Amino acid sequence: NAGVTQTPKFQVLKTGQSMTLQCAQDMNHNSMYWYRQDPGMGLRLIYYSASEGTTDKGEVPNGYNVSRLNKREFSLRLESAAPSQTSVYFCASSEGQGPDTQYFGPGTRLTVL
Amino acid sequence: GESVGLHLPTLSVQEGDNSIINCAYSNSASDYFIWYKQESGKGPQFIIDIRSNMDKRQGQRVTVLLNKTVKHLSLQIAATQPGDSAVYFCAENIPLALGQGGKLIFGQGTELSVKP
Repeated sequence: NAGVTQTPKFQVLKTGQSMTLQCAQDMNHNSMYWYRQDPGMGLRLIYYSASEGTTDKGEVPNGYNVSRLNKREFSLRLESAAPSQTSVYFCASSEGQGPDTQYFGPGTRLTVL
Repeated sequence: GESVGLHLPTLSVQEGDNSIINCAYSNSASDYFIWYKQESGKGPQFIIDIRSNMDKRQGQRVTVLLNKTVKHLSLQIAATQPGDSAVYFCAENIPLALGQGGKLIFGQGTELSVKP
């Protein structure tokens, strides 16, 4: 089991460019999540997908879109990147049946110039 | 509003000592709490969890205590080792809907530094 995988590991964008962060899990989990982590802070939820076919906004959804492609994959898209979106992005998944543990990927470090 | 905060942003301990990391939460509806360890350049790693119907749970060298009366959570690490050096986050789970997972609200984190 690879667990939760994310691509790319690093990315540099110019303001206004777009990109998609990819996430996949091989644990047959129902729920998937996208977080961002800024220096000296905890993780903040951007979007989540409680189950295949559903997505919902978290704490900081502005400037992002998501797609739950199938049960395994959950992508995060920045349509027009801004310097304020410079951050480390983490994807997580959980079984999603009641309160349960979320397992995290290794992160994508994004810099927007 | 919802918030989870840590009392001590940094903690320095001697190898072999016990460490205690504290956390306050504010949402009475939180039903589940998790402690994560994050090493530099890596994603958060699950350490231990506790459900709201418990007040103590023990793992290998770690113990989590939950005091719902004062909305306080703590992580105790016994015989702290250099490999325990990392940032520790508490997180509270806000239920989404019956039978579903939840939204995790994270605290700021405490950096634990273990001196050999």
